[in-house]
Amino acid sequence: AQSVTQLDSHVSVSEGTPVLLRCNYSSSYSPSLFWYVQHPNKGLQLLLKYTSAATLVKGINGFEAEFKKSETSFHLTKPSAHMSDAAEYFCVVDDNAGGTSYGKLTFGQGTILTVHP
Amino acid sequence: GAGVSQSPSNKVTEKGKDVELRCDPISGHTALYWYRQSLGQGLEFLIYFQGNSAPDKSGLPSDRFSAERTGGSVSTLTIQRTQQEDSAVYLCASSLLYVGEQYFGPGTRLTVT
Repeated sequence: AQSVTQLDSHVSVSEGTPVLLRCNYSSSYSPSLFWYVQHPNKGLQLLLKYTSAATLVKGINGFEAEFKKSETSFHLTKPSAHMSDAAEYFCVVDDNAGGTSYGKLTFGQGTILTVHP
Repeated sequence: GAGVSQSPSNKVTEKGKDVELRCDPISGHTALYWYRQSLGQGLEFLIYFQGNSAPDKSGLPSDRFSAERTGGSVSTLTIQRTQQEDSAVYLCASSLLYVGEQYFGPGTRLTVT
């Protein structure tokens, strides 16, 4: 069974300061991990994905995440927050068996990021 | 190219009525998924279709929920005898078969009064 825990329900930062959104996962297999972002009244957009290649994954809009198997973590970071980053972020796991996706994504509860001017 | 589209964007219905929600996946995507997003439950998997295989219905919350996918493309999620707890945003996603990256539609907001 797979599960995802986002450690913070809300994160507040000032514009120009670093962003850290924390995620821990559990998985029976070798998982694929994703971060999705949802702006108010908009659909989910893929930020980045990890699929067993490089452990440091770069995504869109300057975000990146590092897969740490020993810590079962996949934290999302950005060096400098922008006002447009304010949104809800979801850490997502997809169990893989030999690279074949099961298709049933498991979502964390979400972290709401607020960016202050 | 066109993304995943869903209709209607908003639906208000009376308790006990049936509703149908539609999803048009990205052209060429053979896997299609339905999720539900509600305040109390977060994002929950409902059902997915993968190519010509039997769908995985393990996430459907009750037998009032059903879904079909015609011609390997468009999908319809049907909720019979709607209840107030069915109020949520219903999201559809599609992907290439056996690839985990899913692309989501804008969702249908269902309100049951």
